[in-house]
Amino acid sequence: DIVMTQSPLSLPVTLGEPASISCRSSQSLLHSNGFNYVDWYLHKSGQSPQLLIYLGSYRASGVPDRFSGSGSGTDFTLTISRVEAEDVGVYYCMQDLETPRAFGQGTKLEIK
Amino acid sequence: EVQLVQSGGGLVQPGGSLKLSCAASGFIFSGSTMNWVRQAPGKGLEWVGRIRTQARNYATAYAESVRGRFTISRDDSENTAYLQMNSLQNEDTAMYYCAGPVAALNGMDVWGQGTTVIVSS
Repeated sequence: DIVMTQSPLSLPVTLGEPASISCRSSQSLLHSNGFNYVDWYLHKSGQSPQLLIYLGSYRASGVPDRFSGSGSGTDFTLTISRVEAEDVGVYYCMQDLETPRAFGQGTKLEIK
Repeated sequence: EVQLVQSGGGLVQPGGSLKLSCAASGFIFSGSTMNWVRQAPGKGLEWVGRIRTQARNYATAYAESVRGRFTISRDDSENTAYLQMNSLQNEDTAMYYCAGPVAALNGMDVWGQGTTVIVSS
């Protein structure tokens, strides 16, 4: 089974500053079709999780352009160009290549 | 409005059973793979399983932790997905979400509101 490892697990950030979260998979998530099968989710307290990025770098509908996804193969990064107060929550990467699907441990973003 | 509305959670004793429902509206449910995801208290997200569409033979897949105890099904005529949970254990206590891809090419961009399952004597 594919294992997803995120870092850091805690991320204190100053408002307006950039932030990045790393995600590493135990196997390559690059499909022969050229897409990387990794998604990024944000889970805010008291809400359902929301999809931010799919196929490694495609923003889901309604997601602000300050969020971007990058990487290929086994190493991926979620970047927030300028953190806003509403970005607080736990961020998860998830491999979408094969079953069983697997989430990373989660990265808790908080405002300094 | 695109939405998934969940029902069926509650308190159940260890060894008991419970069935969760996830009713879809606002999109073509029959064309979407449906997933179940859970979050135990103080823990991260855990993928539980998924059911594909009729075109893909309603294929199911499960996490190792629930395989053989949980069953996912769907009724496309009712636009509803189900999670049948048997032989429930304390470790199954969690918030359960259904989720699926609607507008996104991949990933889960529509989520239910979540329903709480508590396994306790």
